[in-house]
Amino acid sequence: QVQLVQSGSELKKPGASVKVSCKASGYTFTTYTIHWVRQAPGQGLEWMGWISTNTGNPTYAQGFTGRFVFSLGTSVSTAYLQISSLKAEDTAVYYCARGVSAYDAVDFWGQGTMVTVSS
Amino acid sequence: SYELTQPPSVSVSPGQTASITCSGDKLGDKYASWHQQKPGQSPVLVIYQDTKRPSGIPERFSGSNSGNTATLTISGTQAMDEGDYYCQAWDSSTHYVFGTGTKVTVL
Repeated sequence: QVQLVQSGSELKKPGASVKVSCKASGYTFTTYTIHWVRQAPGQGLEWMGWISTNTGNPTYAQGFTGRFVFSLGTSVSTAYLQISSLKAEDTAVYYCARGVSAYDAVDFWGQGTMVTVSS
Repeated sequence: SYELTQPPSVSVSPGQTASITCSGDKLGDKYASWHQQKPGQSPVLVIYQDTKRPSGIPERFSGSNSGNTATLTISGTQAMDEGDYYCQAWDSSTHYVFGTGTKVTVL
């Protein structure tokens, strides 16, 4: 069955960096894209962008350029989200999700990674 | 930028029908999908390509999309259907976008 397993919760200080992993299984990794979605505490879902699992080419939504980097790992079927120069307002749950281009939708979600930024 | 607007909340009695709207400019020209999120859980896709249900999603969930409005309908609503619902669409300017979210309460 399709699974997206993300790395565990992180507690970071302002100015630090964090790297969240998303390991896919149960399907051919390169057939689907990987999307990243942010959910701040008590707030809605915010699309951050996506990465092509064929080419590694990332696309970032407005507001997620500069400090946010999507990448693919050398490890099989793994995508990464790195956030640098962390701010308190980056505190959120970060989800990876599998994208289906034909649907213009994401169809499976990871369990989410809580990133807390606090001094 | 493209925006999708949903009502903040919808209340429904058990066994009745709940309708959740999602409004966006010419949304009917795009594919709409819907995601259910229960407290403390990841979202789950319940409708894609306007009307299609993924495997395992109950038949009481249905969708439509026309003009500027997509609608998710839950027929015979059950207590387990409580949660937040988000519409989602793809637009050439903003790529993927999520709606503002609707909290469904089964009274």
